[in-house]
Amino acid sequence: AQSVTQLGSHVSVSEGALVLLRCNYSSSVPPYLFWYVQYPNQGLQLLLKYTSAATLVKGINGFEAEFKKSETSFHLTKPSAHMSDAAEYFCAVSDSGGGSQGNLIFGKGTKLSVKP
Amino acid sequence: ETGVTQSPTHLIKTRGQQVTLRCSSQSGHNTVSWYQQALGQGPQFIFQYYREEENGRGNFPPRFSGLQFPNYSSELNVNALELDDSALYLCASSSPTEENYGYTFGSGTRLTVV
Repeated sequence: AQSVTQLGSHVSVSEGALVLLRCNYSSSVPPYLFWYVQYPNQGLQLLLKYTSAATLVKGINGFEAEFKKSETSFHLTKPSAHMSDAAEYFCAVSDSGGGSQGNLIFGKGTKLSVKP
Repeated sequence: ETGVTQSPTHLIKTRGQQVTLRCSSQSGHNTVSWYQQALGQGPQFIFQYYREEENGRGNFPPRFSGLQFPNYSSELNVNALELDDSALYLCASSSPTEENYGYTFGSGTRLTVV
């Protein structure tokens, strides 16, 4: 069965500092992995996705994530935080692995705060 | 290209009542999934509809039911509402024919059960 663990329910960084949000997954098949962002009172917006192509995935708003099979990780990074990055971030894995349109299993989320 | 739209945005119901939430999928998307997001939690999969048939279900009781219409829009129905049903309900649409598939989420319906 597939699952996702997000380490740290709350991360606080200063504006301009590196953002690192951690995600580890468990999957019995080659995984498809996603990062979504949720702003207050809004739905989920896709930041980026890994679908078995390049292991370093670039997304919107300057975010990127690296798939590391040996570490079963898919951590999200951004070199320089902006105030507008303050939001909740969710890591998700497809429940059917690669090759089919499975459903998403989400982590519990990490709330990112950005200090001026 | 329109995104996923959900209605209503907010509603308040009394325990024991029934509720219907609506979702219009993104243009070109024929699959609709519903998720429940309780406060402070990640979304949890309720069920998925493809070609008007239920195509997978999460760990939710039968009082959660749904429909998909020929235009791919969808409804989520919840009977005998309980206080724990209070949550943000998210609809996501997708297309299995997309080369690199993904899900487009709506802004959600905030349901409060009192």
